[in-house]
Formats: sequence, structure tokens, C-alpha cells
Amino acid sequence: AQSVTQPDIHITVSEGASLELRCNYSYGATPYLFWYVQSPGQGLQLLLKYFSGDTLVQGIKGFEAEFKRSQSSFNLRKPSVHWSDAAEYFCAVGASGGSYIPTFGRGTSLIVHP
Amino acid sequence: SQTIHQWPATLVQPVGSPLSLECTVEGTSNPNLYWYRQAAGRGLQLLFYSVGIGQISSEVPQNLSASRPQDRQFILSSKKLLLSDSGFYLCAWSSQPGGLLGGNTIYFGEGSWLTVV
Repeated sequence: AQSVTQPDIHITVSEGASLELRCNYSYGATPYLFWYVQSPGQGLQLLLKYFSGDTLVQGIKGFEAEFKRSQSSFNLRKPSVHWSDAAEYFCAVGASGGSYIPTFGRGTSLIVHP
Repeated sequence: SQTIHQWPATLVQPVGSPLSLECTVEGTSNPNLYWYRQAAGRGLQLLFYSVGIGQISSEVPQNLSASRPQDRQFILSSKKLLLSDSGFYLCAWSSQPGGLLGGNTIYFGEGSWLTVV
């Protein structure tokens, strides 16, 4: 069975600073990996996804993530954070074998100071 | 393009009253459909998923039920709400694994806030 760990419940950064949100997964084969963002009171929006190929994935809103098989990680990065990036971020892993159900992490709450 | 709609956006219901949340998907056929719940300050909990009309799988035993009367319609119901049913409910869809949209990619609706009083 797959699992996802987001070790940071909260992350606080200053506006303009760089950001890295951590995600570690457990899965026996090549996983499908996702990052979602959720603004307060709204649904989850897909930021980016990795299925195969280039391990550095570009997403929307200036985000990118890097798949590192050796570390079982899929960390989300942004070089310069904007106040509007304050939100909850979820990492998810899906099975490549046809499973319908991805597993979500508990989420990391990003707080941006002016 | 594909879109997902769920309603109502907010709902305040007394304990013991019934519940019906509805979700529809447009622009695709034979989607997988999901109901998730988010309690305050907590992660996502998968409640139900469906791979076809009339096919419902329940992940968590509770007083909620789901139905899929049409290919792109998914309904979350309860006959008698409990205080513990309060939360943020999210409908979602995905294409079949291996499909053109990369299978397993889940797309979420805007959510429905349910407060049971």
C-alpha cells in the first residue's frame, strides 16, 4: 500500500523568500505524484504532477517539484513566494497499476509574512 | 474542457435532518467519482468512490451514503445528520487509469460547507 508523509504541519516564510515543502512517499513501483493547493474555503487545485520522464516538473503559479527516487521524495519549490501563496498544500501519490485511489498527505499550511 | 460542479456551497442543518449534496461532471464520460470530507484542521478523508453507474464503494462506515444515478452525477446523502457530520465535503473526479488525462489525476469541485447544529 502507498503512503505519503508531509513532515511539516506549518511553514512560515517571508514574502519574496524561497520555499520548499517536503513530501516523502512509500510505494513499491514508480508512483504517480501530485501537488495540490487549497485556499481557505475552496476546493483543491492541481499544481503539478509527475508520471514519468523528466524528474523536474514545472507547474502553475511558478511552482516546481523534483522527483528523487533514491530519497522517495517529491518536494515542492518556489523561488520567490507571494502573499497570495498562503494556503494549504497537499502532496499525493497514486499507484501506477490502475488503482483509482490516490493517497493524500495531511497537508502543510503555508503562512506568508509581509 | 471538463468541469465539476457541486452544490449547495453552504448548508446549515439541524441534528437528525436529512442531507443531500449533489455533484455533476461535464465534458467527460465514464469518470471515476469521489466524495471526500475535511474536518476542521485535518486532512482529506475518502468517504466513497464510484467507477460506474450504481457502483459505490464505501471507505468509512458511517451514517452517510452515496449514489450514482447517472454517469456524471454523484450524490451524498444522509437520513439523519449527526453533529460529527459537520465539515467540508469535496466531490472529485478522475478519468480511467491510462486515459488521455493521465489516469489517477483527481480534479476537485469547490466544496460544500456543512454545519450541523
